[in-house]
Amino acid sequence: DQQVKQNSPSLSVQEGRISILNCDYTNSMFDYFLWYKKYPAEGPTFLISISSIKDKNEDGRFTVFLNKSAKHLSLHIVPSQPGDSAVYFCAASSFRGGATNKLIFGTGTLLAVQP
Amino acid sequence: NAGVTQTPKFRILKIGQSMTLQCAQDMNHNYMYWYRQDPGMGLKLIYYSVGAGITDKGEVPNGYNVSRSTTEDFPLRLELAAPSQTSVYFCASSYRSLGRSTNEKLFFGSGTQLSVL
Repeated sequence: DQQVKQNSPSLSVQEGRISILNCDYTNSMFDYFLWYKKYPAEGPTFLISISSIKDKNEDGRFTVFLNKSAKHLSLHIVPSQPGDSAVYFCAASSFRGGATNKLIFGTGTLLAVQP
Repeated sequence: NAGVTQTPKFRILKIGQSMTLQCAQDMNHNYMYWYRQDPGMGLKLIYYSVGAGITDKGEVPNGYNVSRSTTEDFPLRLELAAPSQTSVYFCASSYRSLGRSTNEKLFFGSGTQLSVL
């Protein structure tokens, strides 16, 4: 029962163009969403987050959009750079589930930015 | 800044052996977590701790044990290693529980790659 789904295992984009990574969730209790980036042989690092009270959050080249009615969020990277090549994980949590705040991760999307 | 430190980075175990994966953080974080990542899968929560002396099960706790005697350390114990425990293990920490603030996030270690043969 995959509550957080990233249906695209991989994505290839030209340098300078936009990268769009998608994530769908099934649990309507989720109210906090995060994106993590992972390079090989390293741990995931936090990229950007969004609360369910917002529909957009922006941080430099990275923007996350949340569509609660569709239970869908997306990460936009503009412009894409070769250093962005990594695996991107979407994660969700429910604050209403209690203070433990277990993060549920998607399966990840491997982004390759071609020079 | 060390952050979250995991040892060892790699380990090969025989079926039935036991071992402890070490995790230490120097950020004075209250919350600590253990995740495993199988190939092509997302990270699954094994155990977590909300403070010294307090631990609880995550999604996939079977075959593992944890303890939290200090704020800094959160070791993960495998008692009878099985091939199904072949995975990459990540330890993580956070100062407060997620969701208290949209600025809160997990800090991860670099992982331990474990093979059980």
